[in-house]
Amino acid sequence: GDSVTQMEGPVTLSEEAFLTINCTYTATGYPSLFWYVQYPGEGLQLLLKATKADDKGSNKGFEATYRKETTSFHLEKGSVQVSDSAVYFCALRIFSGGYNKLIFGAGTRLAVHP
Amino acid sequence: NAGVTQTPKFQVLKTGQSMTLQCAQDMNHNSMYWYRQDPGMGLRLIYYSASEGTTDKGEVPNGYNVSRLNKREFSLRLESAAPSQTSVYFCASSEDSYSPLTNEKLFFGSGTQLSVL
Repeated sequence: GDSVTQMEGPVTLSEEAFLTINCTYTATGYPSLFWYVQYPGEGLQLLLKATKADDKGSNKGFEATYRKETTSFHLEKGSVQVSDSAVYFCALRIFSGGYNKLIFGAGTRLAVHP
Repeated sequence: NAGVTQTPKFQVLKTGQSMTLQCAQDMNHNSMYWYRQDPGMGLRLIYYSASEGTTDKGEVPNGYNVSRLNKREFSLRLESAAPSQTSVYFCASSEDSYSPLTNEKLFFGSGTQLSVL
């Protein structure tokens, strides 16, 4: 079935370090791909998305490229800040059974230290 | 701009007790969802309502019931709580879940942390 696999956390980095959080997916058809972020005590917020192969989503310095050949959507940021500390969820959306189905990965916790 | 509002934020129940989680959105969205979040498992869909007057089971519906009271409100009820239902519950909404071309963005509430002893 459709699924999303993320690298396990926590990921601990120093401020200004380079970030990669891996995400791979399994899906029938052509899903849209998303990264959501959950800051402490809050609900999830959409960070970025890509709707077709080779699209690059970007927001707040984060980027992810939809790679159909490797079924991946890895999240990257060149220089993380303490304020980026959060849980990051990779997700895919596929239209199945008459509605848009959103499937989430398990989440990766990022902790950035000064 | 409240967005999606959930109540309560925290709740402790004893096994067998019942309770209702409330959710309301003020964005005139057609579709609403209830998810549960468990460590290492991401978010799993419990129930969803694609439009006012309709509800459907998601991935993990057992032990829950829902009511789409009107376009704004979507409640989740636990009739007889079990320790396995200890989790964080999130309500979400989106413009329209029927069309494959619709805006795909989900808006989430801040969650309800539920413990069942």
